[in-house]
Amino acid sequence: DAKTTQPPSMDCAEGRAANLPCNHSTISGNEYVYWYRQIHSQGPQYIIHGLKNNETNEMASLIITEDRKSSTLILPHATLRDTAVYYCIVIVKAAGNKLTFGGGTRVLVKP
Amino acid sequence: EPEVTQTPSHQVTQMGQEVILRCVPISNHLYFYWYRQILGQKVEFLVSFYNNEISEKSEIFDDQFSVERPDGSNFTLKIRSTKLEDSAMYFCASSPTGGGYGYTFGSGTRLTVV
Repeated sequence: DAKTTQPPSMDCAEGRAANLPCNHSTISGNEYVYWYRQIHSQGPQYIIHGLKNNETNEMASLIITEDRKSSTLILPHATLRDTAVYYCIVIVKAAGNKLTFGGGTRVLVKP
Repeated sequence: EPEVTQTPSHQVTQMGQEVILRCVPISNHLYFYWYRQILGQKVEFLVSFYNNEISEKSEIFDDQFSVERPDGSNFTLKIRSTKLEDSAMYFCASSPTGGGYGYTFGSGTRLTVV
């Protein structure tokens, strides 16, 4: 699985957009980019995933660069409840594949 | 929204004792997993389970660990002889087909070995 690099922490103002970067320069053609988050020692929660096109759902948007070597998770209007550790994970989308978590980005949303 | 349920939420046990952590995955899911997170560290994969057998396990998952799906709903993790270093949050997860998305994690069991 491709290695990912994320900043260890970032702050965001409540109501503003939070842009979380992730580098995955060794990503392979069949590997997807997934984002999960973990709120204060709860179980990780799936946010979004994509292969090469930008994706949007009710939680967030995912922007993947054309060369697929990096991506950005966008939380459009951060709330205090979005304070969490956000994990960018790159894996092949195959049945039963395990998730390999790195250190993630600790996001603190401030009022 | 369907949930993965884990019990107990907290477990304190003495070193050398056996513990069983229980999970009820989402009913139509086919893949089941255990992960653990030692306080302040990363979430680590332990084992995946499919079609009533282990499909993959990590180096952490040694002979002291076992998993079982004793009936159609429960999925358990047993630690035979607990060590102090087994103290961690243990997360159960399930997915319909695997592959990263569709994973639903439980809220975890905090295991403290004293």
